[in-house]
Amino acid sequence: ETGVTQSPTHLIKTRGQQVTLRCSSQSGHNTVSWYQQALGQGPQFIFQYYREEENGRGNFPPRFSGLQFPNYSSELNVNALELDDSALYLCASSLGGGPKNIQYFGAGTRLSVL
Amino acid sequence: TQLLEQSPQFLSIQEGENLTVYCNSSSVFSSLQWYRQEPGEGPVLLVTVVTGGEVKKLKRLTFQFGDARKDSSLHITAAQPGDTGLYLCAAITGTASKLTFGTGTRLQVTL
Repeated sequence: ETGVTQSPTHLIKTRGQQVTLRCSSQSGHNTVSWYQQALGQGPQFIFQYYREEENGRGNFPPRFSGLQFPNYSSELNVNALELDDSALYLCASSLGGGPKNIQYFGAGTRLSVL
Repeated sequence: TQLLEQSPQFLSIQEGENLTVYCNSSSVFSSLQWYRQEPGEGPVLLVTVVTGGEVKKLKRLTFQFGDARKDSSLHITAAQPGDTGLYLCAAITGTASKLTFGTGTRLQVTL
């Protein structure tokens, strides 16, 4: 148990729809990072939020967007879903956005786009 | 293009065997981490190696960071079914502590 919770655990959407995934960070952590893990691959960094501001972004199009709230929980929004968006979406929380801060992962949300 | 290449991709062994997983890159990293991910869960950090040539042990797991800080290995002695999972190496890159993960090695240990 890492104390990082994600919801929902599974989700099925159709191409073109929009989706919102949620993440509650571990108590006391002010930084949330989001990753996409396609089947059989390692996770790919989407973006990170530190104290409600975006603090770095990976190679993902603008239809992937996020938010962090004052309680440091976070949302990942994906618009105009494509079949290739089917993946496990992981969030990780840490105390601070620097390289020495350990990231604790949630169990993920499995998104299927049909 | 993956920055970190892991080998082998898949490994199926019997309980009691030894194995080594490799993580290679052409880039130099200030540190490298190893994670294990079990089905239905997120990755869990096993170790962080920082110094070139560093060796760290975690029970039956031995981690080594290459002298040039471009590669790392994970050696498991006397594997057990509980070692089954996806092993991922990851480098911390950029100021945002972005984790760049390797391609992963899926390990299956059978009785």
